[in-house]
Amino acid sequence: DSGVTQTPKHLITATGQRVTLRCSPRSGDLSVYWYQQSLDQGLQFLIQYYNGEERAKGNILERFSAQQFPDLHSELNLSSLELGDSALYFCASSEGGSAGVINEQFFGPGTRLTVL
Amino acid sequence: GDSVTQMEGPVTLSEEAFLTINCTYTATGYPSLFWYVQYPGEGLQLLLKATKADDKGSNKGFEATYRKETTSFHLEKGSVQVSDSAVYFCALGGRSQGNLIFGKGTKLSVKP
Repeated sequence: DSGVTQTPKHLITATGQRVTLRCSPRSGDLSVYWYQQSLDQGLQFLIQYYNGEERAKGNILERFSAQQFPDLHSELNLSSLELGDSALYFCASSEGGSAGVINEQFFGPGTRLTVL
Repeated sequence: GDSVTQMEGPVTLSEEAFLTINCTYTATGYPSLFWYVQYPGEGLQLLLKATKADDKGSNKGFEATYRKETTSFHLEKGSVQVSDSAVYFCALGGRSQGNLIFGKGTKLSVKP
């Protein structure tokens, strides 16, 4: 158990809908990262928040957004969903804001999103 | 930009066989290198890491050495077990960036 929790575990929805994925980081970790894992694209970095502020952006679509709340949990909002958004969405957390040795990332179990 | 290339799978081995999964990287500066493992139905777990050239990361019988001259970080294990069946990801983390950049993953199946 990494200490990172994600809800829900599975999500099935229809095209055009909007969903929210939730992540609670390990106790003491200030950074939260969101990744998308799909068969064709592999593991892609979406966005990072550090202590409530956006720190880095990756291949995140404009239809997707995220935020980190004062209690450090984070939510990833996916809107106008398309079939191609079906994927595993992972949240990871780290103590600091960079990926150096003191800032290992710990991954949650993921949310499997299926868009029908 | 920075990238990671690892050998395509799937890799199928018999129990007690020797394992090598190749990983090479392209990066500016001096990244940290990681191997993560994903067991079926689970999230990624850090397997081992190395933060500078010639460092050797090791854990659970797995080893990888950070080779700056060949920009490689190959994963090895002398004797695999059925329980090692999983997907293995090579990743790099830059000093100035927070996120990890992953290879596409290599699926390992170990047969008894």
